[in-house]
Amino acid sequence: GQQLNQSPQSMFIQEGEDVSMNCTSSSIFNTWLWYKQDPGEGPVLLIALYKAGELTSNGRLTAQFGITRKDSFLNISASIPSDVGIYFCAGTNTGNQFYFGTGTSLTVIP
Amino acid sequence: DGGITQSPKYLFRKEGQNVTLSCEQNLNHDAMYWYRQDPGQGLRLIYYSQIVNDFQKGDIAEGYSVSREKKESFPLTVTSAQKNPTAFYLCASSISAGPGNTIYFGEGSWLTVV
Repeated sequence: GQQLNQSPQSMFIQEGEDVSMNCTSSSIFNTWLWYKQDPGEGPVLLIALYKAGELTSNGRLTAQFGITRKDSFLNISASIPSDVGIYFCAGTNTGNQFYFGTGTSLTVIP
Repeated sequence: DGGITQSPKYLFRKEGQNVTLSCEQNLNHDAMYWYRQDPGQGLRLIYYSQIVNDFQKGDIAEGYSVSREKKESFPLTVTSAQKNPTAFYLCASSISAGPGNTIYFGEGSWLTVV
């Protein structure tokens, strides 16, 4: 199945810095989802986006549904050590087939 | 507590054995999924089910089997035909197909062949 292009693959940042990552697809989606996965655990849903152009926040996290419907962005502001983990995107246009990015590994240096 | 429960968390399998991973959800979701996750790779779909007594093969179904006898349960059997079964397995569920759907995951099960 299609795999989404997610970048960057990894990030090493200082505590307090802001983080940006993005995900692109070759096809149009009507839903974009962002997850965080800790080592050895299942992914946890952070933000769900259902409308082109939508901007949604969850605490220090903000995600946007691109207006082309082929991309999405996740920003983390003022990073803290517990933000460490793998973030990945998911998209769907049918609701029964989900496509996933390969993830962005985030390391926060105190 | 509402959610998706996978068991066991860790499982060791001898060569030639079949093993079954359990997945139960109490979210009243119609659709359930099994994914395999290997280090450095994205999620790959093994099987999915949109309704009781029906399921479809995903991208890497060979060597796996499933059943969906109850809405809340979707067990995955890793058969001896699966040549490289060591991986992290994730069960997931969603309300149903259609726009605005969201998929939720269990905590995962580690399977190791010894």
